[in-house]
Amino acid sequence: SQELEQSPQSLIVQEGKNLTINCTSSKTLYGLYWYKQKYGEGLIFLMMLQKGGEEKSHEKITAKLDEKKQQSSLHITASQPSHAGIYLCGADVSYGGSQGNLIFGKGTKLSVKP
Amino acid sequence: KAGVTQTPRYLIKTRGQQVTLSCSPISGHRSVSWYQQTPGQGLQFLFEYFSETQRNKGNFPGRFSGRQFSNSRSEMNVSTLELGDSALYLCASSLTASVPYEQYFGPGTRLTVT
Repeated sequence: SQELEQSPQSLIVQEGKNLTINCTSSKTLYGLYWYKQKYGEGLIFLMMLQKGGEEKSHEKITAKLDEKKQQSSLHITASQPSHAGIYLCGADVSYGGSQGNLIFGKGTKLSVKP
Repeated sequence: KAGVTQTPRYLIKTRGQQVTLSCSPISGHRSVSWYQQTPGQGLQFLFEYFSETQRNKGNFPGRFSGRQFSNSRSEMNVSTLELGDSALYLCASSLTASVPYEQYFGPGTRLTVT
């Protein structure tokens, strides 16, 4: 089974609506990273969460880390067409580890209908 | 600052050939990681270099190799190409190789093996 599960796999929302994407790890999380990818292009770094309960926001995107549940959520408020893309979560599951231990979810494809 | 650059952006090769991909990190970044992204497997770690030394290697066959130069630029090589090597190859750079790390990704090289 996948070590880092993202849900949903895809999402279609009407412009202006709020949405949430979840990322759940089967291993202890020591760092959680959110990226956005336009199809076939590189990943754009969004946010990094390290501590349980940590919450970060950037413009209309908020990410939270629930260390106990080994889960992170990404919430977009008042979605816009510019939010469309694939959202990937990446995680460091090895304490004191290096980039070699970063694993990624399969991604959530977000479409925003004008 | 210029972002991570990768060349070439697109490549078509024939089975059995070899290929070299290049990555120039953000100025000042000393750590470079390589990932393979396919629809089926998602984003998978290939290897990581820091100060010209390979620090970590993912679970890929020996046909995949890489190196890093003194100016932090990195190359990866795939020999004896197989159809299954068709993928988007992404390079990411970061300032350091210790947690926490913000990795900045390049646009990728789309490799098609026929």
